[in-house]
Amino acid sequence: NAGVTQTPKFQVLKTGQSMTLQCAQDMNHNSMYWYRQDPGMGLRLIYYSASEGTTDKGEVPNGYNVSRLNKREFSLRLESAAPSQTSVYFCASTKGTPGAGEYYGYTFGSGTRLTVV
Amino acid sequence: EDKVVQSPLSLVVHEGDTVTLNCSYEVTNFRSLLWYKQEKKAPTFLFMLTSSGIEKKSGRLSSILDKKELFSILNITATQTGDSAIYLCASTGTASKLTFGTGTRLQVTL
Repeated sequence: NAGVTQTPKFQVLKTGQSMTLQCAQDMNHNSMYWYRQDPGMGLRLIYYSASEGTTDKGEVPNGYNVSRLNKREFSLRLESAAPSQTSVYFCASTKGTPGAGEYYGYTFGSGTRLTVV
Repeated sequence: EDKVVQSPLSLVVHEGDTVTLNCSYEVTNFRSLLWYKQEKKAPTFLFMLTSSGIEKKSGRLSSILDKKELFSILNITATQTGDSAIYLCASTGTASKLTFGTGTRLQVTL
């Protein structure tokens, strides 16, 4: 099925460990996004990528890095995990490009539940 | 900085009740306001609103936008237990990245 695939679905890390969350879409979308969702906070944008080879910071980028490996894949890396990064992470993609002012609809992945102990 | 505020934060109603969820926004160069429903996993799209006063409707759900007062409402009539979810409001400006509100958690009881 076409869509956004995130891996892993669940992960437990110890403080200081590193890991990469993977995201891939097969809809030929231009833009990809990483959000985190915490109770009472809604979804907050971590990083986004308007197109292959470009990335930009969102609202809460500290402690994260991203790579837009190609048009399909956008990964999120935690270099040194902290308990404050315990959250549910969503990847999303859209056909539209930031700055063009158009909205084509977001497709979300099913999320990664990360716990840092 | 763009901002979206939803109210109430949570709501418990009985099956059959009608509910109204609120969303206000402050977005630079506003383009659209969107409503999503989130059950156990990823948000699923409900409505996109770009023009004031034009109601969007899908079954028992409807939504309307007021661009003068900078708010939107989502109405659900004859609620069912399957409507229990978090309802998210989001807005876009000149960039297509979404700014989300904190969500309203709706619980519909028998």
